[in-house]
Amino acid sequence: GIQVEQSPPDLILQEGANSTLRCNFSDSVNNLQWFHQNPWGQLINLFYIPSGTKQNGRLSATTVATERYSLLYISSSQTTDSGVYFCAASTGGGNKLTFGTGTQLKVEL
Amino acid sequence: EAGVTQSPTHLIKTRGQQATLRCSPISGHTSVYWYQQALGLGLQFLLWYDEGEERNRGNFPPRFSGRQFPNYSSELNVNALELEDSALYLCASSPGGGRYGYTFGSGTRLTVV
Repeated sequence: GIQVEQSPPDLILQEGANSTLRCNFSDSVNNLQWFHQNPWGQLINLFYIPSGTKQNGRLSATTVATERYSLLYISSSQTTDSGVYFCAASTGGGNKLTFGTGTQLKVEL
Repeated sequence: EAGVTQSPTHLIKTRGQQATLRCSPISGHTSVYWYQQALGLGLQFLLWYDEGEERNRGNFPPRFSGRQFPNYSSELNVNALELEDSALYLCASSPGGGRYGYTFGSGTRLTVV
């Protein structure tokens, strides 16, 4: 099945800093999503982005499907951005969404 | 629009018992997915149901089973509970086949003692 790798595994930022999280995947995808898992465990959908670029406030994401990677940009980070960020992908035919191991982000004052 | 709802929020069971977890998808979504997130093991795919049928299954023993009802809600049953079944169980729904993205519920935290 598809392999999903995320980097970096851990990231500590000062409030107001910008960051880029990377997701590499091993196969063509028909679904790629970025999620934020809050301290209570809920997975919040940030972007559905199998290709192209999207922006939502301070967050944006780009997927280059031909090169099999996706980037999540966080600008002007806030303490509420802390948590684990997951990238997940699936191939065609409704196959299961496979998750990467996540990036643990901590934003400090 | 209501999101994906899961119940109960927390569940404590004794080893050897059975646990039943429930999930209601977003209205109009026909696919329901179950994932297990055990400490240190990441998010592992358990089951996928669509239109009442099991479509795919992860690498879990048969004591993990479930079903999807005509209203597309779903139930996950875990029989003969083991201590290592303690985990956060997350349910997600999508319009069909996952091609339009998954939306997750808040999860059920199962503790086996």
